[in-house]
Amino acid sequence: AQSVTQLGSHVSVSEGALVLLRCNYSSSVPPYLFWYVQYPNQGLQLLLKYTSAATLVKGINGFEAEFKKSETSFHLTKPSAHMSDAAEYFCAVRAFNKFYFGSGTKLNVKP
Amino acid sequence: ETGVTQTPRHLVMGMTNKKSLKCEQHLGHNAMYWYKQSAKKPLELMFVYNFKEQTENNSVPSRFSPECPNSSHLFLHLHTLQPEDSALYLCASSQDGTGTNNEQFFGPGTRLTVL
Repeated sequence: AQSVTQLGSHVSVSEGALVLLRCNYSSSVPPYLFWYVQYPNQGLQLLLKYTSAATLVKGINGFEAEFKKSETSFHLTKPSAHMSDAAEYFCAVRAFNKFYFGSGTKLNVKP
Repeated sequence: ETGVTQTPRHLVMGMTNKKSLKCEQHLGHNAMYWYKQSAKKPLELMFVYNFKEQTENNSVPSRFSPECPNSSHLFLHLHTLQPEDSALYLCASSQDGTGTNNEQFFGPGTRLTVL
């Protein structure tokens, strides 16, 4: 069975601090992994995706994620948080033509 | 228009009303999806259409009726809804339903309130 777990429904960081949002997955087939961001009253926007090429994936707005097969993880990071990064972030895995989304992590950035 | 558009952006309806949500994608994709996003719950996949054919219905109540007249348009017809159906309804599209690495592109959603 496929599933996605995002640890921490809410994460709060100070502006300029490291952002780390955790995602663990389970998949019976080689996974394709995605991170999406959702700003208030908007749809989901793709941040980055892993498709079995490089394990370190760079996305938009300075975000990146590393695929670690041994840990079944795909954590999202950004070296320095900006106020504009405040949003909800969703990890997703695609397997057998279906998308499975995590329950989301709301990122709060304090000035 | 570019990307995925949804209308209306906000909808308030009574339990006896009939209304429809519209989604249009301008990306040349062949797969379209309806999701329900409720507060404090994971994103719920409702329906999947691939090349205009419904390929998935995730046990959605019959008061929700999807329609896909062509690969660019997707509708969600609503009738006799319940207050618990109040949510953000998101439409998405992807190149097709079979490419395993094809990402989904989302519309801005319709915020539905059922009174």
